Amino acid sequence: SAVISQKPSRDICQRGTSLTIQCQVDSQVTMMFWYRQQPGQSLTLIATANQGSEATYESGFVIDKFPISRPNLTFSTLTVSNMSPEDSSIYLCSVVAGISETQYFGPGTRLLVL
Amino acid sequence: RKEVEQDPGPFNVPEGATVAFNCTYSNSASQSFFWYRQDCRKEPKLLMSVYSSGNEDGRFTAQLNRASQYISLLIRDSKLSDSATYLCVVNIYDTGGFKTIFGAGTRLFVKA
Repeated sequence: SAVISQKPSRDICQRGTSLTIQCQVDSQVTMMFWYRQQPGQSLTLIATANQGSEATYESGFVIDKFPISRPNLTFSTLTVSNMSPEDSSIYLCSVVAGISETQYFGPGTRLLVL
Repeated sequence: RKEVEQDPGPFNVPEGATVAFNCTYSNSASQSFFWYRQDCRKEPKLLMSVYSSGNEDGRFTAQLNRASQYISLLIRDSKLSDSATYLCVVNIYDTGGFKTIFGAGTRLFVKA
């Protein structure tokens, strides 16, 4: 398994500002992902964080709005830029680990944009 | 059609009941299968992997039918603490590479 931490655990932000979320894993992993989950909804994949290259974004998500860094195999950041109330959500970091390629999730960052 | 479909529920059952969740997937390139549990305001956590031979972990039994592209989860002797959302999860390897598809989840409420 993998142990994942995220910072901050929660934040309340003003519209127009940006927030950077950090994700730290206790072991080196190849695949790392960022998800968003709005209340009562399922997980939505934002992007795959690629080490040493640009992240791969899913339809509806763009680098200017959600820039991602992946400087090494244990760490990644997601920035939510120029926030609006619609960005209020839980943001989750996950990694794939193990022979069975299981996904493990961080505890999430709860974001409220006023 | 969604790639992974689940009955959203909610399932409301009394303690001690047996409850079964079903899930279907559409992509034949699906390679590995899981059930996750998500508690309110928490992250999803792996409950169990699912194999064609079926696997059991205490009160939980998972089954995979590749021919029918169907996955099931059976919970016996339900406890109050089983109340959660259960997510059906599929790993796919196709021309686009590796991706994980999450079902929308089935909500379970176990009542005293």
